Amino acid sequence: DGGITQSPKYLFRKEGQNVTLSCEQNLNHDAMYWYRQDPGQGLRLIYYSQIVNDFQKGDIAEGYSVSREKKESFPLTVTSAQKNPTAFYLCASSGGTENQPQHFGDGTRLSIL
Amino acid sequence: QKEVEQNSGPLSVPEGAIASLNCTYSDRGSQSFFWYRQYSGKSPELIMSIYSNGDKEDGRFTAQLNKASQYVSLLIRDSQPSDSATYLCAVNRRHDMRFGAGTRLTVKP
Repeated sequence: DGGITQSPKYLFRKEGQNVTLSCEQNLNHDAMYWYRQDPGQGLRLIYYSQIVNDFQKGDIAEGYSVSREKKESFPLTVTSAQKNPTAFYLCASSGGTENQPQHFGDGTRLSIL
Repeated sequence: QKEVEQNSGPLSVPEGAIASLNCTYSDRGSQSFFWYRQYSGKSPELIMSIYSNGDKEDGRFTAQLNKASQYVSLLIRDSQPSDSATYLCAVNRRHDMRFGAGTRLTVKP
C-alpha cells in the first residue's frame, strides 16, 4: 500500500543525545515536511523540502536538522541543542504544487528520559 | 493576528445534529483550503479540500469557502459519536501550509 511510514512510534532521548526520526514515503511525492505538535496546539513547521538535496527552514528549525538524499526519505535529527524536544512529530508529503494537500504519517512521540 | 484562526471549542452537539466548524485566515493570496480530522493520539487525516468560492459536499461533510471574507467552514450533518475528534483547518500559501490550532468536537449519544 502507498503511504508514509514514520519510525519509531515512541522514542526516548537522554540529555545531550541526538536522535533521528525516520520518514519514508512511497507515494512518489516531491515535497516532504516535518511538523511538531504540542498538546492542545496546532502543527508548527520545522523543515520542508520541495526536491532532493534541497530543504528550507520552517518556523521552528532551531535545534533540528534534516537531509533529503533520496526522494523517498526525509529524516529529522533532534539535536541536543533542542532543549524542549518532548512533542508529537509528524512527517507529511504532497505532490508539491500549491493545490496539493499534505498527507501524514502516523507520527513519532518523543520524550525526554 | 494568527494566520489561521479557529474557535478552540470544545464544541458539543447531540447525535444527529449539525456541527458547524469555522476558520478564518489572514493571507488573501491563499488558494487552497483543507479540513483535517485528528483523533486523540493519532495523526491528521484529510477529509475535505476546497479551492473555489461556494460549497463542496462529500457525504455528510460540506465545506464552504468565502475568499472575500477570508472564511472557511465545515458542516457535519447527522453527527455521529465517531465524528468526535479535533478538526484542523489548513490553508496553503505557495509551498507551505498553515494550520489552525483546531476545534475539538464532541458528539454526545
